[in-house]
Amino acid sequence: EVQVVESGGGLVQPGGSLRLSCAVSGLTFSSHWMSWVRQAPGKGLEWVANIKEGGSEKYYVDSVKGRFTVSRDNAKNSLYLQMNSLRAEDTAVYYCVSRDAKTHYMDVWGKGTTVTVSS
Amino acid sequence: DIQLTQSPSFLSASVGDRVTITCRASQDISRFLAWYQQKPGEAPKLLIYATSTLQSGVPSRFSGSGSGTEFTLTISSLQPEDFATYYCQQLNSFPITFGQGTRLEIK
Repeated sequence: EVQVVESGGGLVQPGGSLRLSCAVSGLTFSSHWMSWVRQAPGKGLEWVANIKEGGSEKYYVDSVKGRFTVSRDNAKNSLYLQMNSLRAEDTAVYYCVSRDAKTHYMDVWGKGTTVTVSS
Repeated sequence: DIQLTQSPSFLSASVGDRVTITCRASQDISRFLAWYQQKPGEAPKLLIYATSTLQSGVPSRFSGSGSGTEFTLTISSLQPEDFATYYCQQLNSFPITFGQGTRLEIK
């Protein structure tokens, strides 16, 4: 069974930093694109970032470019999201998502980790 | 950016009803569209990808159709467990975008 487990969320002040981690098991991690998707309280889904299987290609939504960095460690089956210069509008549940190796659709989601940016 | 507009945003229906949700894209996305179901407090669940392909384990009462800029998700006979929020998503181009969601509630 594929498992995706996020960690690292918490309360942080505006301007602060946080690093989210995601542990993946049950699949060949190095063969899958991975994504981060977030959901602000009471709002819809927003794609945040993508990273290719080997980590050579990364894509971000405009609102986080220059502040967030996605990375992966295929030896540890882990995905990361380094979030700097956090703003109140970054407050959300952050989901780690595995993309199907062939279709690239977002087929396995973690339960999410909550990030709250507030003073 | 490609905007996805779902209609309706809210839908009230009864068990056994047939319901259809529409997703309109601001530009041609071919068939690179997926549908997700999300229940309160849970992560989204992939229902349909590539417009009409049912994800493994998803009941056959769910179906999808469309191409270009107009897509539909149909539930042929609503079951109690289907009451949730549904989102469409396009993967034709970056940034990946989602529709605003359709909340399906019990009448």
